[in-house]
Amino acid sequence: GQQLNQSPQSMFIQEGEDVSMNCTSSSIFNTWLWYKQDPGEGPVLLIALYKAGELTSNGRLTAQFGITRKDSFLNISASIPSDVGIYFCAGQPDNYGQNFVFGPGTRLSVLP
Amino acid sequence: NAGVTQTPKFRVLKTGQSMTLLCAQDMNHEYMYWYRQDPGMGLRLIHYSVGEGTTAKGEVPDGYNVSRLKKQNFLLGLESAAPSQTSVYFCASSLIPGRTRASPLHFGNGTRLTVT
Repeated sequence: GQQLNQSPQSMFIQEGEDVSMNCTSSSIFNTWLWYKQDPGEGPVLLIALYKAGELTSNGRLTAQFGITRKDSFLNISASIPSDVGIYFCAGQPDNYGQNFVFGPGTRLSVLP
Repeated sequence: NAGVTQTPKFRVLKTGQSMTLLCAQDMNHEYMYWYRQDPGMGLRLIHYSVGEGTTAKGEVPDGYNVSRLKKQNFLLGLESAAPSQTSVYFCASSLIPGRTRASPLHFGNGTRLTVT
């Protein structure tokens, strides 16, 4: 079946640094979603992307829908301790439907 | 609004026992889903429902059953638990997708199930 790859798998950064992570696929997706999961909780939606090339921000977070429609990127600026968690991408490959495929996640640790 | 609420939060079963996980949402969403989350893997869809009284199989349905008797509730059942079903289970809900765009999923806080 379709798979999503996320890079990096994990990262350690200093507080205040910017963060970049990506999600790639071998097939085309029509919707990209980015979620954050804190320990012991469910994923929380950060950003939704619906058009190739779309760039959307949510506070210090910015995500882009790749032009090839096979990838998406998430950037976090000026990281803070509460950014710690696992970031998941999810793609929806169909023209119509809710058949989401989830990536394995990027684990972010922020060092004070 | 509570959003999506899952009960219980934790459960330990012996092999062969049965149990039901309850999911309730107060957002008037038509669609509901059950996913499992295992280390190093993305969330995998078990079953889903596009409306009251309807259910459908997802990617990994074997060993599970579901029911959607009321719009706001979606139950996940394990008839005879196996160690391979040790996982964290997430319920989610969403609006009906648009003609050209999917609707984001809203997740509960999960149920951690251990089968010994």
